[in-house]
Amino acid sequence: DSGVTQTPKHLITATGQRVTLRCSPRSGDLSVYWYQQSLDQGLQFLIQYYNGEERAKGNILERFSAQQFPDLHSELNLSPLELGDSALYFCASSAGRETSGPGDTQYFGPGTRLTVL
Amino acid sequence: GQNIDQPTEMTATEGAIVQINCTYQTSGFNGLFWYQQHAGEAPTFLSYNVLDGLEEKGRFSSFLSRSKGYSYLLLKELQMKDSASYLCAVRGDNTDKLIFGTGTRLQVFP
Repeated sequence: DSGVTQTPKHLITATGQRVTLRCSPRSGDLSVYWYQQSLDQGLQFLIQYYNGEERAKGNILERFSAQQFPDLHSELNLSPLELGDSALYFCASSAGRETSGPGDTQYFGPGTRLTVL
Repeated sequence: GQNIDQPTEMTATEGAIVQINCTYQTSGFNGLFWYQQHAGEAPTFLSYNVLDGLEEKGRFSSFLSRSKGYSYLLLKELQMKDSASYLCAVRGDNTDKLIFGTGTRLQVFP
């Protein structure tokens, strides 16, 4: 158990709908990262938050948005959903620092499996 | 551009040794990570290298050569439970984010 929690574990919904994925980082971690993993594909970095502020952006679609709240949990919103959004969505957390440096390991949550019908 | 290459699949026998290679071309370098991922589960951290050389951790070791843009993960005394995907990831300069390779699926046979 990494200490990172994600809810829900599974989500089945239809095209055009909106979903919210939730992540709670490990105790004491300030950085939260979101990744998408489609079938037989590598982990694609979406976005990073550090202590409530957006720090880095990856291949995140305009239909997706995220935020990190004062208690450091994060939410990823996807809307409107398309069939191609079906994937595993992972959240990771790390201690984070004011400036980037080596040794800041990311620990992953169990993921949310999203199926869009 | 940024590119990380790993073999797609490998097979090995229980009790044997296997080496999984990773080559990378990234804009800057600030550490290389190896993760293990069983199907449908979360990636779990295995090792981290930022300086050239070998890091040993039990049955697993990881090597880095920054001048060659090359790393490998060495798994000794293979067990059936080592059947999983192994992900190589690189962190660039002035960033926390990781760029992942597509992973190497290892199958261990009795």
